[in-house]
Amino acid sequence: GDSVTQKEGLVTLTEGLPVMLNCTYQTIYSNAFLFWYVHYLNESPRLLLKSSTDNKRTEHQGFHATLHKSSSSFHLQKSSAQLSDSALYYCAPAHTGNYKYVFGAGTRLKVIA
Amino acid sequence: GPKVLQIPSHQIIDMGQMVTLNCDPVSNHLYFYWYKQILGQQMEFLVNFYNGKVMEKSKLFKDQFSVERPDGSYFTLKIQPTALEDSAVYFCASSLRLGVEQYFGPGTRLTVL
Repeated sequence: GDSVTQKEGLVTLTEGLPVMLNCTYQTIYSNAFLFWYVHYLNESPRLLLKSSTDNKRTEHQGFHATLHKSSSSFHLQKSSAQLSDSALYYCAPAHTGNYKYVFGAGTRLKVIA
Repeated sequence: GPKVLQIPSHQIIDMGQMVTLNCDPVSNHLYFYWYKQILGQQMEFLVNFYNGKVMEKSKLFKDQFSVERPDGSYFTLKIQPTALEDSAVYFCASSLRLGVEQYFGPGTRLTVL
């Protein structure tokens, strides 16, 4: 089945520094979607951005990611971290033929002043 | 955006009792999910429910667990009997179809004593 690796459990950054959260995945589906969900404390997890197009940058709310099928990666980036970015970030693949969603272990981003 | 509601937000129950967690999914969505998150750990897939049937379940979805959505009402997760290891936050989610964005509820924190 699908699997996701988010190798950093916790990333602590000073405000203003660039953010990069790693995601690598395995899926048998060549046209799977990759998602980043963000989970703020005491809120519902929600979609941050998604992509199924190889080598195309997708952006939302200051974050961006590029799906690289050759390396099975979908790293999340932001040029300048803000205090309000502190949250748990999950990477997840999905496909129209797969009933089971597999989330990565999540990366907790902590932005400090 | 569309909202998923979960009732109750907190539930404390004695081991061995039955508990029902309720989810009000997005109105036109067809796929429904439960996830379990133990404190400090990742969110893990429990079950996918579609058209009145369990389509996929994980190893975490024990025999004591059941799901249903009678006549378009709440989508429920029932645990009978509960065990100490069932203590967790349970998130409900729904999606219009497979492979697309899931919308999550705020979670129900279940404490089994």
